[in-house]
Formats: sequence, C-alpha cells, structure tokens
Amino acid sequence: EPEVTQTPSHQVTQMGQEVILRCVPISNHLYFYWYRQILGQKVEFLVSFYNNEISEKSEIFDDQFSVERPDGSNFTLKIRSTKLEDSAMYFCASSDLGNEQFFGPGTRLTVL
Amino acid sequence: RKEVEQDPGPFNVPEGATVAFNCTYSNSASQSFFWYRQDCRKEPKLLMSVYSSGNEDGRFTAQLNRASQYISLLIRDSKLSDSATYLCVVNGGTSYDKVIFGPGTSLSVIP
Repeated sequence: EPEVTQTPSHQVTQMGQEVILRCVPISNHLYFYWYRQILGQKVEFLVSFYNNEISEKSEIFDDQFSVERPDGSNFTLKIRSTKLEDSAMYFCASSDLGNEQFFGPGTRLTVL
Repeated sequence: RKEVEQDPGPFNVPEGATVAFNCTYSNSASQSFFWYRQDCRKEPKLLMSVYSSGNEDGRFTAQLNRASQYISLLIRDSKLSDSATYLCVVNGGTSYDKVIFGPGTSLSVIP
C-alpha cells in the first residue's frame, strides 16, 4: 500500500539554525500539506500546496517558513531560524483529489 | 466559537461496550468531514469519511447533521485495539482548503 514517508524521524537543532524537513508524498497525489502538533496539543494546519504553489497557509506559517517541491517526488518544509516554540511533531500529508488526506509518520523537531 | 469542538475525554469503557463521540463545527460552508484516529506519538490515520447519508464501516458508524453542524462516530463492540484519540476533521468550502482538526477525544478500552 502506498504511503507518505518523512525524513528524518527526529531532528535536534540549536535555536537560530535552519532546518529542512523532507517528505515524499504518495506518487499520484496532487495536493500536499504540512501540519504540526505541539506535544499534548491538537494538530494544526500550516500550509497546503497544489500545482507548484501555496494554495493556503495559516497564521503560523510566517516568513520563517517556506515549502518547496524541488523535484517530482520530494516536498520540503524549511524553517529558516528556529525558535524554541517550533519544537513539535511535523506531519506531511498528501491527497489525490484534495479530499481524504494521508499522513506521514512525522518528524519530531526539538529546538534547544 | 471554536472551529471544531469535540467531547472532552477521556472515555474509559469496558471491552464490548458501545461508545459515541460527538463533534460540532462552526463553518457552515464546510463540505468534507472525516474521523481520524491517532495513537500516542503517531500520525493521524484516516478512519472514515463522513457522508450526508451516514455511513458504516464494520463496527464504526458515522453520521452528519448539516443543519446542526454536528458529526458523530459510534463504535460498537469496543476492542482493546480501539484505544486511541479520535479526531474530528472538517475542511472548508473547496476541497484543497485547509482542514481543521478538533482537539480529539481519548478512548481507553479496558479489559
């Protein structure tokens, strides 16, 4: 069964450093998403991406965040200068028709 | 009013019990509705989509009431493996809009 994959599973970084989280969506999917979940809190939408551009973003997704689909398979989330409060689980998701979304296993980001 | 609200948990039920979860949403333009389950420190996994006519998948039944902006999930004959957090998920008027997750309801099925 096709699945969304994410790397790394755990990333530890120093405050102020840049991180890139990587995702490989399901191959025939067209819509891609990033979410985050701070420990003990609900899943929060960050951004959706379709047709090589951002289709919607939340207020969390400020200038420190960017997304890219550098080739036909990868979908990345970059955080330019990490803050302590960026520590969370980051989930990538993909969808074929923009309806049911399938999630990757997540990257746990720890900012020290 | 919060965008998606769910029953606060936790629900602790014995094996074999029937349990119901409720969810309300604030955006009347929402078109798509889902139930996901999330195990501790894992990703959300799609349990089922929710259709206007209601739908059933084995022991799970989902209902949607658009007029009341209310969604429910019924689990019959609870199993230990059903222990998880159940997330009500709603999206906006267009299919690729952001989806909004509810805070989740925790279920523990006890032997």
